[in-house]
Amino acid sequence: DAGVTQSPTHLIKTRGQQVTLRCSPKSGHDTVSWYQQALGQGPQFIFQYYEEEERQRGNFPDRFSGHQFPNYSSELNVNALLLGDSALYLCASSGLQGWAANYEQYFGPGTRLTVT
Amino acid sequence: GQQLNQSPQSMFIQEGEDVSMNCTSSSIFNTWLWYKQEPGEGPVLLIALYKAGELTSNGRLTAQFGITRKDSFLNISASIPSDVGIYFCAGQLASGGGADGLTFGKGTHLIIQP
Repeated sequence: DAGVTQSPTHLIKTRGQQVTLRCSPKSGHDTVSWYQQALGQGPQFIFQYYEEEERQRGNFPDRFSGHQFPNYSSELNVNALLLGDSALYLCASSGLQGWAANYEQYFGPGTRLTVT
Repeated sequence: GQQLNQSPQSMFIQEGEDVSMNCTSSSIFNTWLWYKQEPGEGPVLLIALYKAGELTSNGRLTAQFGITRKDSFLNISASIPSDVGIYFCAGQLASGGGADGLTFGKGTHLIIQP
């Protein structure tokens, strides 16, 4: 049973550029959430996708956008990168196999983004 | 963004000791989850709590959902070297028919001294 996978593992971008990160959810999961984790901090919720739509959004600017595909995989896009966007970006998936599965989020290994 | 108050920030313990950490919030949550994160990896789910007052165990780990729904506690008994890592609490609400995004604490860094 494959867990949550993310690509790429590491990425280096220049300020002002755009970046796309990818996530494949755990088998049987249909909901994908994205988080930003700065060094020494806990993850911060960016947004959540369900049925190919953004269901909930955290306190992040519109430069952060996403997409969910029919196979439940998801992308996170960040435009006009700032130095402060350097962080570990985590994807988490959850599912509907049993009521508890809707609440338990399982994380991928993350993508380390460095903005120079 | 909002973060939960998690304490202690770090713990230096000896192998075999018991560990306790807690998390408090000014807001009520419907669900509390505890994760462990090791360097270069994503958080791994340890325990999920769904009811106020609930006490749940997972091996040597025991967690409790506070009665006020504003706090949670995690205990690790008889610590071993592989327990080293950063432990995060996360609170969650449920709205619009689905589970909301998680609100995390800043983590407790567990270090085991030889």
